[in-house]
Amino acid sequence: KQEVTQIPAALSVPEGENLVLNCSFTDSAIYNLQWFRQDPGKGLTSLLLIQSSQREQTSGRLNASLDKSSGRSTLYIAASQPGDSATYLCAVLMDSNYQLIWGAGTKLIIKP
Amino acid sequence: DVKVTQSSRYLVKRTGEKVFLECVQDMDHENMFWYRQDPGLGLRLIYFSYDVKMKEKGDIPEGYSVSREKKERFSLILESASTNQTSMYLCASSQFWPEQYFGPGTRLTVT
Repeated sequence: KQEVTQIPAALSVPEGENLVLNCSFTDSAIYNLQWFRQDPGKGLTSLLLIQSSQREQTSGRLNASLDKSSGRSTLYIAASQPGDSATYLCAVLMDSNYQLIWGAGTKLIIKP
Repeated sequence: DVKVTQSSRYLVKRTGEKVFLECVQDMDHENMFWYRQDPGLGLRLIYFSYDVKMKEKGDIPEGYSVSREKKERFSLILESASTNQTSMYLCASSQFWPEQYFGPGTRLTVT
């Protein structure tokens, strides 16, 4: 059974730092992996989607990588800003049944 | 822009009450979903619907039911609320899986 883990559960860093959020999964038979951002009262927003055949995706200051064989993905945020404060979730789409399995998220706080 | 709205942001109910959570989407999407989100756990799918009057159980349907009488509206019903149903409830809609659009969530407290 697929398990998706995000460590740490919470992270606080000073503004301007580059940082990495981690997502690991136990079953490598995935179709794709997505990173989402969750803001209180605003729902979830998809940030990046990486297909299983891809190694990385970039959007602005965000870069997501995928190493399917080792069951790991990272979300790199460059030059962090207070507006990046949010909870970041990853989710994998299973190859076999197109079920979406979610991690519990990392709550990120960027201190001004 | 796709908009998914949920009827309440916060809700407090008593044990045993019947609770209705409403979700409306404005993009004519075929598919709609209800999730619950608890600390330390990933989102868990309660029910989804792929068409009007059609529904499928997700991973944790026990204690819940749903209704989809119109394409734009998907309701989650707690027939007899219990304290272990205190949670954040998220609704989503989708036309092309796995692309989903989420509502802002309803934080339900059952006392």
